[in-house]
Amino acid sequence: ELMLTQSPGTLSLSPGEGATLSCRASQSVGNAYIAWYQQKPGQAPRLLIYGASRRATGIPDRFSGSGSGTDFTLTITRLEPEDFAVYFCQQYAGLRCTFGQGTKLEIK
Amino acid sequence: QVLLVQSGAEVKKPGTSVRLSCKPSGYAFNTYAIHWVRQVPGQRLEWMGLIHVDNGNTEYSQTFQGRLTITRDTSARTVSLDLRSLRSDDTAVYYCARDGRGYYFDYWGQGTRVTVSS
Repeated sequence: ELMLTQSPGTLSLSPGEGATLSCRASQSVGNAYIAWYQQKPGQAPRLLIYGASRRATGIPDRFSGSGSGTDFTLTITRLEPEDFAVYFCQQYAGLRCTFGQGTKLEIK
Repeated sequence: QVLLVQSGAEVKKPGTSVRLSCKPSGYAFNTYAIHWVRQVPGQRLEWMGLIHVDNGNTEYSQTFQGRLTITRDTSARTVSLDLRSLRSDDTAVYYCARDGRGYYFDYWGQGTRVTVSS
C-alpha cells in the first residue's frame, strides 16, 4: 500500500508569514495524483489542490502545490487567520487511495 | 451550489448494522461517483468505497469487504452506506464525498457521527 508521511506534525506561524507543508510517499505517485485538503474543527475537509498543482474551484492563489515522484509540497503564502487548520495530503494513484496523517498549522 | 447532505448521528451496539444516507444536490445526480470516507478519532482519513451513480457499480476497500454495501436510489437521488457487524473501532465520523473525476474528492457532506458502544 502506498503510504504518505506528512511533515511537520505541527507548524506554528504568524499571520502574514509563509508556510511550507511536506508530503512524502513510500513509492512514486504516478501522474502526480496528489490532492491536498484543509480541515477545520467540526468541519468536513475542503479540497484545495488536485493533480499535485491544480487549484480547486474558489481556492485563493496564495495556496499552491508542487512536486513529483515521492515528494510533494503545499505552499501557503501570506497566511490569513482563516488558514490555521489541519492539512491532509491524499494519493489517488494506487489501487486504494490513502491519506497522510495531517499537519496542524497553528497560530504562533 | 453543490451540496451533499448526510443523515444524522447514530448510536449503535456492537454486532448491529447502520445505514447512512447522503443526498447530493446542485448538479446532475447521475454524472459523478460518490465515495465514502471515514475519520476515526486520532487516525488518518480512510477511504471505504464508492458507487458509480450512473450504473450502480461499486468498489470497496478490502478493509471492509463483506461488511460494507453502498447503494443508490436514482428516484430519490440518494446514496446509502450500510455497514454490518459493527465494532467499537467503527466509531468515527463518516463522510460522503463527490468524485472530482479521479478518486479525489471535490465536495464533501457535513459528516455523520457513528458511535458504537455497548
